[in-house]
Amino acid sequence: DVKVTQSSRYLVKRTGEKVFLECVQDMDHENMFWYRQDPGLGLRLIYFSYDVKMKEKGDIPEGYSVSREKKERFSLILESASTNQTSMYLCASSLIGGDAYEQYFGPGTRLTVT
Amino acid sequence: TQLLEQSPQFLSIQEGENLTVYCNSSSVFSSLQWYRQEPGEGPVLLVTVVTGGEVKKLKRLTFQFGDARKDSSLHITAAQPGDTGLYLCAGGVLMNYGGSQGNLIFGKGTKLSVKP
Repeated sequence: DVKVTQSSRYLVKRTGEKVFLECVQDMDHENMFWYRQDPGLGLRLIYFSYDVKMKEKGDIPEGYSVSREKKERFSLILESASTNQTSMYLCASSLIGGDAYEQYFGPGTRLTVT
Repeated sequence: TQLLEQSPQFLSIQEGENLTVYCNSSSVFSSLQWYRQEPGEGPVLLVTVVTGGEVKKLKRLTFQFGDARKDSSLHITAAQPGDTGLYLCAGGVLMNYGGSQGNLIFGKGTKLSVKP
């Protein structure tokens, strides 16, 4: 079974803090994704990566950056957290090309910025 | 911009009833997936359909991909409280990265509540 783990289930941070969210997958997947999920807005793609050292902006990259130094690890960074970044953050991974882009999700990190 | 619209947004039914959730778009997708998400957890993949007209069954759940690959439905027979959750459809979109790479476009979900 694919396992995607996220470093924290719940986080509370103050406005202006730098926040790191870590994601690790154990199935040798090439692709990794970061989403945020908000009521009424659904899942929105922040950044994705198809390979180590590669990163691409998704639909809402502003205020975020990412790092992928190793294949199994994809980190999301909030450079200066703001209250409008309070959300559920979901990491996902998938195989390259095949399996019709099936993505496997971690349990999520519920981030609150006060 | 490709969009997936799900309906209904909310559904509250009694145990034993049947229900259908719809996922519609004006765009063609290379594949379509259904996920179920429980509160405080990440989405879990239920099924992937790739061929127009395809029907897949997973116990009491029946998934159908439209002939034109623009829409899909999820039908649950004799719903049980354990079916409660957020059902998300997601369409596969080919990305131009020199190979068969794809991302997913997600609908906003149908929140299902099955009361005992």
